Amino acid sequence: GAVVSQHPSWVICKSGTSVKIECRSLDFQATTMFWYRQFPKQSLMLMATSNEGSKATYEQGVEKDKFLINHASLTLSTLTVTSAHPEDSSFYICSARDRRTSSGELFFGEGSRLTVL
Amino acid sequence: AQSVTQPDIHITVSEGASLELRCNYSYGATPYLFWYVQSPGQGLQLLLKYFSGDTLVQGIKGFEAEFKRSQSSFNLRKPSVHWSDAAEYFCAVVNMEYGNKLVFGAGTILRVKS
Repeated sequence: GAVVSQHPSWVICKSGTSVKIECRSLDFQATTMFWYRQFPKQSLMLMATSNEGSKATYEQGVEKDKFLINHASLTLSTLTVTSAHPEDSSFYICSARDRRTSSGELFFGEGSRLTVL
Repeated sequence: AQSVTQPDIHITVSEGASLELRCNYSYGATPYLFWYVQSPGQGLQLLLKYFSGDTLVQGIKGFEAEFKRSQSSFNLRKPSVHWSDAAEYFCAVVNMEYGNKLVFGAGTILRVKS
């Protein structure tokens, strides 16, 4: 099956620093990737839709200057949390859609847990 | 806007008992429907999906789900629960006319007692 890899799985950083999380589709090309955020004991909330070669589309309430998304290739999207603060601590999950299918199925990465001290 | 409702926040079942997790969606046309499972601190694993055709779909780990258009439901079932099934389960819907976005329900935490 299709594999999506996220790196790093865990990251701890100091307040005020920036953190980059990578999302890679290993065996397929993804024109569209999605970034989700999950707070403890809550569901996944869509943050933004990342389209290869164009600007990301952010959901209402998500600060695009805070969460920078880049989708430079068909297999890689990155999420950069800029000037991170403790309230940014969360579990971030990316997903990707295989460009060859129109079924809507998404493949998820393993998630990245960010802790901001 | 579409929404996905999972009415049960927590469910506890005995090992070996049957299980049904409820999911309802609000959307006029037939959406694409999914069930995912998430173990603590981990990502999501797809259990099964429904796109069209037979309304009873089989998934991994012995799970199945039935799409009922009249009830706008896509309930997940398993005839005999194992302790390893304890996890959180998410129902999700893709609306192809809503930017292909995957919308999740709030999740149902399954506890299995021995």
